[in-house]
Amino acid sequence: KQEVTQIPAALSVPEGENLVLNCSFTDSAIYNLQWFRQDPGKGLTSLLLIQSSQREQTSGRLNASLDKSSGRSTLYIAASQPGDSATYLCAVPSNDYKLSFGAGTTVTVRA
Amino acid sequence: NAGVMQNPRHLVRRRGQEARLRCSPMKGHSHVYWYRQLPEEGLKFMVYLQKENIIDESGMPKERFSAEFPKEGPSILRIQQVVRGDSAAYFCASSLTDSNTEAFFGQGTRLTVV
Repeated sequence: KQEVTQIPAALSVPEGENLVLNCSFTDSAIYNLQWFRQDPGKGLTSLLLIQSSQREQTSGRLNASLDKSSGRSTLYIAASQPGDSATYLCAVPSNDYKLSFGAGTTVTVRA
Repeated sequence: NAGVMQNPRHLVRRRGQEARLRCSPMKGHSHVYWYRQLPEEGLKFMVYLQKENIIDESGMPKERFSAEFPKEGPSILRIQQVVRGDSAAYFCASSLTDSNTEAFFGQGTRLTVV
């Protein structure tokens, strides 16, 4: 059974600082890994999808790395802004389609 | 191209009533998934459907819960005789294929049982 862990559970930084969010998973036989953002009371927004054959994926200020052999992914957010405040979730499919989610990292960016 | 649409956004039911949650996948997507997020917990898989077929319902409680995705119309998650423990956010996701593909989520339906 795939277990996904996210550290830290919460993070508070001043505006402009870079954010580093960690995700680890127990079964390295994954197809891909997906990072989501969830705002309070809202749905999930897909940020990045990294295929198992990729080492990293970038979108704007976001960069996600994947080390499948060690069961880890890291999401970097450069030059954080107050609008980046949200909960960030990572998810991996435990088979082709069934996503296993971490509990999330709640980020607060202070203006 | 509209995203995954869920309605209602908020639903209040008394204990013993039925709750019906609707999900329209993204245009062109025929794979639908339901997840539940209990308060202070992570999202948990409930069921995976394709048009007119339930592919995997391993995460769905055996009693009171059912799901369908008819040939026409939205996918429906139905909870009969709701109890307080059913209060949660229910999210629907859709994807283009069933394998190694990006999942897109709706805004969720927040069910409160009073």
